[in-house]
Amino acid sequence: KNEVEQSPQNLTAQEGEFITINCSYSVGISALHWLQQHPGGGIVSLFMLSSGKKKHGRLIATINIQEKHSSLHITASHPRDSAVYICATIYNFNKFYFGSGTKLNVKP
Amino acid sequence: DTAVSQTPKYLVTQMGNDKSIKCEQNLGHDTMYWYKQDSKKFLKIMFSYNNKELIINETVPNRFSPKSPDKAHLNLHINSLELGDSAVYFCASSQTTVQYFGPGTRLTVT
Repeated sequence: KNEVEQSPQNLTAQEGEFITINCSYSVGISALHWLQQHPGGGIVSLFMLSSGKKKHGRLIATINIQEKHSSLHITASHPRDSAVYICATIYNFNKFYFGSGTKLNVKP
Repeated sequence: DTAVSQTPKYLVTQMGNDKSIKCEQNLGHDTMYWYKQDSKKFLKIMFSYNNKELIINETVPNRFSPKSPDKAHLNLHINSLELGDSAVYFCASSQTTVQYFGPGTRLTVT
């Protein structure tokens, strides 16, 4: 079974700060997915990556396959970034394991 | 032009009842999923369907049954509802491994 650990569980930041959320997993995976769940409950896919780094706007996701670790970075954070960020690993292309999420609160 | 839609958005019902939640996607995706998010906000996959074939069933009670009348729909039927079934249920679809989620259905069992 693939264990997925996220840290921190809760994170409070001031607007403008650089934020890092970490995700570690225990076995080899096909890909890793970063999701954002808004306070209203809606879930949005941010990134799916299997190697290297991806960037979209102020969001950057990296993955190190050898270390079984991924990070999600938010540059110049804004209160609208406040949400729960969920890491999900995809194993053998059809099995998904989810982290417990990181609740981010960005204060103005 | 909603990509993944679910109905109803809210469902309140009594223990022992049978209920269904509907999901439709207009993205032309081959795979659809059902997830349960409990009160602790932990997201857990329940089922996935690929071209009308069940390919994942993660130790979900057999009171839960997915029904896929066609590639664009994956409905979730729940029999003999229990208090512990109260949760938010999300439908999702994918073509590769990137998933698109519906808005969720909040089920409350009283």
